[in-house]
Amino acid sequence: KQEVTQIPAALSVPEGENLVLNCSFTDSAIYNLQWFRQDPGKGLTSLLLIQSSQREQTSGRLNASLDKSSGRSTLYIAASQPGDSATYLCAVVGSSGGGADGLTFGKGTHLIIQP
Amino acid sequence: NAGVTQTPKFQVLKTGQSMTLQCAQDMNHEYMSWYRQDPGMGLRLIHYSVGAGITDQGEVPNGYNVSRSTTEDFPLRLLSAAPSQTSVYFCASSERTGGVFPGELFFGEGSRLTVL
Repeated sequence: KQEVTQIPAALSVPEGENLVLNCSFTDSAIYNLQWFRQDPGKGLTSLLLIQSSQREQTSGRLNASLDKSSGRSTLYIAASQPGDSATYLCAVVGSSGGGADGLTFGKGTHLIIQP
Repeated sequence: NAGVTQTPKFQVLKTGQSMTLQCAQDMNHEYMSWYRQDPGMGLRLIHYSVGAGITDQGEVPNGYNVSRSTTEDFPLRLLSAAPSQTSVYFCASSERTGGVFPGELFFGEGSRLTVL
């Protein structure tokens, strides 16, 4: 069974710092990997989707990388801002279950950017 | 642009009652799914559908039923509510890619259910 782990569970940094969030998964047979953001009391917002054949994706100040062979992905946030404060979740879609796996989620990294 | 709409946003039930959580999307997505989010457990897949008339079980399907009569709607039914079903429920949809796999997922705002 696929397991997704996110480290650290919580992170607090001053505004302006560059930071890296980590995601690891146990089964490298994935179809894609997605990073989401969740604000308190809200749904999830998709940030970046990386197909299994890709190495990275970029959107504005966000860059996500994927190393499928080692079972790792990182989300890099440049020049962090207080508005980046949220919980960030990583999720993988397994390629061996014919879709039955859906997305397997990590438990998230709770990020606080101090003004 | 509505995206994924869930109703109700909040609901309190008594043990044994039944109810339906509604989910509708206006993006013509074939793939729809229901997750529950619990503290310390993360999000877990309940049921999913890859198109109208097709549904399947996820990781935690017991106590829940779904149907998919149209592309737009994917209701989740609680047959006989139990306190263990107290949770936040999220509906999500995406285009189907590479056969049956979900692509970029779009989530609703969630339905917060308390079972007493």
